[in-house]
Amino acid sequence: RKEVEQDPGPFNVPEGATVAFNCTYSNSASQSFFWYRQDCRKEPKLLMSVYSSGNEDGRFTAQLNRASQYISLLIRDSKLSDSATYLCVVNNYNQGGKLIFGQGTELSVKP
Amino acid sequence: ETGVTQSPTHLIKTRGQQVTLRCSSQSGHNTVSWYQQALGQGPQFIFQYYREEENGRGNFPPRFSGLQFPNYSSELNVNALELDDSALYLCASSLGTGSDGYTFGSGTRLTVV
Repeated sequence: RKEVEQDPGPFNVPEGATVAFNCTYSNSASQSFFWYRQDCRKEPKLLMSVYSSGNEDGRFTAQLNRASQYISLLIRDSKLSDSATYLCVVNNYNQGGKLIFGQGTELSVKP
Repeated sequence: ETGVTQSPTHLIKTRGQQVTLRCSSQSGHNTVSWYQQALGQGPQFIFQYYREEENGRGNFPPRFSGLQFPNYSSELNVNALELDDSALYLCASSLGTGSDGYTFGSGTRLTVV
C-alpha cells in the first residue's frame, strides 16, 4: 500500500465547475500536510498547507481529517489556468522531514 | 532572495555511465532534499542532507549518493546508470525539517539511453 494515495485522474471539467480531490495517508504519525501544484514538465509549487481546522485561499479550500487520515482539496469556479497536476503531500518531522508525495491527479479545465 | 537552482537542466547519458547533478539551495536554507520523479508518478524521496550530513534516505540503492557543502549547496551522484534512472530529478531546500515549507528547483531531466 502506498503511503499517500490520491484519486486516479484525469479530471476533465468545464470552466466554472467545482472539483474535489481526495487523498488518504497511511502513517498516523504524519504531522504536516500540503497540496502542491505541478504544471507540465515543471517543478512542484506549494499551493497551500492543510490544517485540521480547514483553510481557504480564494477559490481553494483544503480540509484535513486526522481520525480518517484523509485530506481534500476543493476548487470552486475553476479556471482554464487551474489545469495542472495536483499532488497531495505529507511530511513527518520524526522521519527527518522528508516529503511523501501522492501520485498526483491531473486536472484539465475546458472552455 | 534567490531560489533553488539546479544544473544542468537536461542531460543524456549512456547506460553504465556516471552522472553528477547540482543544486544551490535558497538563501537561508540549510537542508537539501533530492527527489526522483518518473513520468506519470509523484516525486520519490531519495535522500536529505542537513548541515552536510545525510539525515534520511529513501528506498534507493547505494549507487545513488550525495554531498552537501558548507554553503549548503548539494550534489547527487548516480553510478552505473540504468535505463530506469531516466526521470526528472528535483532538489528542494528548506530551513530545518521544513515546517515553513520547501522550495523546489526546476529540476534536471535525465535520459539514459
